[in-house]
Amino acid sequence: AQKITQTQPGMFVQEKEAVTLDCTYDTSDPSYGLFWYKQPSSGEMIFLIYQGSYDQQNATEGRYSLNFQKARKSANLVISASQLGDSAMYFCAMSLPLRGNNRLAFGKGNQVVVIP
Amino acid sequence: NAGVTQTPKFQVLKTGQSMTLQCAQDMNHEYMSWYRQDPGMGLRLIHYSVGAGITDQGEVPNGYNVSRSTTEDFPLRLLSAAPSQTSVYFCASSATPGTSGPTDTQYFGPGTRLTVL
Repeated sequence: AQKITQTQPGMFVQEKEAVTLDCTYDTSDPSYGLFWYKQPSSGEMIFLIYQGSYDQQNATEGRYSLNFQKARKSANLVISASQLGDSAMYFCAMSLPLRGNNRLAFGKGNQVVVIP
Repeated sequence: NAGVTQTPKFQVLKTGQSMTLQCAQDMNHEYMSWYRQDPGMGLRLIHYSVGAGITDQGEVPNGYNVSRSTTEDFPLRLLSAAPSQTSVYFCASSATPGTSGPTDTQYFGPGTRLTVL
């Protein structure tokens, strides 16, 4: 079964600084998708960024980028120029599309608090 | 375009009661799924559907039932509620059901917070 590991304790980040959230994954499937979601205190799950296992370049979406190191099986999220609204839980997730069901396996999340 | 909608937002049940959590999407997505989130945990998959008329079990299916008679709707039924089912429930959908691309991205509804006494 696929496994996602997020082990960082809660993080405090200064506004306007960059923050990196660690995510490692474990799978023997050659094809997989990696996703990051944000969950603010209001509770909704917000999609941030996607990286496919065959993608040659790291994914970027605005202030979010994914540092994809395939050999190390890591998919770290980088948030540049942190804003107060970035305070939230962040979840890394993986799908294994070759298994035909798009099920997501989630890590336990990283808590980020942005301070002014 | 409302995306994924869920009702109700909050619900309190007594042990043994049954109820249905509603989920609808207006994006013509093939794939729909239900997850539950417990404190300190990530999300765990309950049931999923790769298209109308097709459903299957996820990681934690016991005590839950689903059906998918239309592309838009994917209700989750609690057959006989138990305190262990106290959780936040999320419905999600994606355009494709697992094709190795960004259209597999799942978009989530706002969630239903369920308490079983």
